Amino acid sequence: QKEVEQNSGPLSVPEGAIASLNCTYSDRGSQSFFWYRQYSGKSPELIMFIYSNGDKEDGRFTAQLNKASQYVSLLIRDSQPSDSATYLCAVMSPSSASKIIFGSGTRLSIRP
Amino acid sequence: GAGVSQTPSNKVTEKGKYVELRCDPISGHTALYWYRQSLGQGPEFLIYFQGTGAADDSGLPNDRFFAVRPEGSVSTLKIQRTERGDSAVYLCASSPTARETDTQYFGPGTRLTVL
Repeated sequence: QKEVEQNSGPLSVPEGAIASLNCTYSDRGSQSFFWYRQYSGKSPELIMFIYSNGDKEDGRFTAQLNKASQYVSLLIRDSQPSDSATYLCAVMSPSSASKIIFGSGTRLSIRP
Repeated sequence: GAGVSQTPSNKVTEKGKYVELRCDPISGHTALYWYRQSLGQGPEFLIYFQGTGAADDSGLPNDRFFAVRPEGSVSTLKIQRTERGDSAVYLCASSPTARETDTQYFGPGTRLTVL
């Protein structure tokens, strides 16, 4: 079982709709969770982090964490073509304070 | 200010050769990380430095891989006797400290191709 699992996609969403990206993780001791965006040929860029159960909102982005279900999600409201990218879910390793474990990413495509 | 920089941006080498990849972190950042990203995969942790010392090198795949950060700033990832399977994008990241809450800022990466 992979430590961080994501559906590889592609996920196609019409412009203006809500894009929902999901991720599960295997280590119940994990405490810190991140969403990175990666455009093709570019390096990852942090867009959200979440540490507590529940929702965290930042502009059009909402991260959701459910530690009991070991589930993290990212919602993107009012999707724009510029949101088309690969979204990487990442988890801080509970055994090493600064080691981040990434999922394989979900490719999101926003169609005009 | 300047972000994380990595050189070279592309490196093509032959199987069995030695390569060095360089990372210049953001000025003042004490923590530095190396990752490797293969096509269609997320970055894979290799090693993390706090200052000059390697605080966690558990991700280095074998003893052909070695990294240094002698003055606590620039870091070099060294790969001996390269193999075709080493082909990937090598990413460097830095953060102000090693706290979990510190954002890791990634450089543009070095694309290594081993022929």
